[in-house]
Amino acid sequence: DAGVIQSPRHEVTEMGQEVTLRCKPISGHNSLFWYRQTMMRGLELLIYFNNNVPIDDSGMPEDRFSAKMPNASFSTLKIQPSEPRDSAVYFCASSFRPGTSSRRGVYEQYFGPGTRLTVT
Amino acid sequence: RKEVEQDPGPFNVPEGATVAFNCTYSNSASQSFFWYRQDCRKEPKLLMSVYSSGNEDGRFTAQLNRASQYISLLIRDSKLSDSATYLCVVKRENAGNMLTFGGGTRLMVKP
Repeated sequence: DAGVIQSPRHEVTEMGQEVTLRCKPISGHNSLFWYRQTMMRGLELLIYFNNNVPIDDSGMPEDRFSAKMPNASFSTLKIQPSEPRDSAVYFCASSFRPGTSSRRGVYEQYFGPGTRLTVT
Repeated sequence: RKEVEQDPGPFNVPEGATVAFNCTYSNSASQSFFWYRQDCRKEPKLLMSVYSSGNEDGRFTAQLNRASQYISLLIRDSKLSDSATYLCVVKRENAGNMLTFGGGTRLMVKP
């Protein structure tokens, strides 16, 4: 398995431009997470999907950020318009969540390599 | 107050030393606990889960104290390759698969 795939790996853009980050989760995983990591704030959860449905987006900073998961194998995180304070590493992670009738616990989250975003 | 707190370090230790990290969590409804490792400019990866009875994986020992709401990670006979940031991670009850990450503790093992 190729693991979680993210693209692009690096993105440099000017303030005001639209940025789209892409993620392909591990096949068979039904949960997908978008995180942002900075030195100041550490790793922050932005949004969480389960079975392609957004479950918790309380971490999304503001309306400039949006995320979609049109199918089980693809998700996007869009920033429009971008600002210098959005500069960070954005990670996508996936895991498998068993059904509610299962007694099994949470499964490991597998992270992609991240997208390093610089907004000038 | 952050939900998961860690000393950011860095912890600078010589090769072969034993080093311990602690982590405290504020939400008593926390259910599952983990240590993740993150190498410089890489993604986090699961190091080990933390069980109530404590558990060991080679040179690594994790312990949980629910009464005091803290988790520890002990590394024995540290290697240069152990240099990384160690993230304390907590899952709250009824939070699905969501995890809450601490800020991480940076370890630097010197020759």
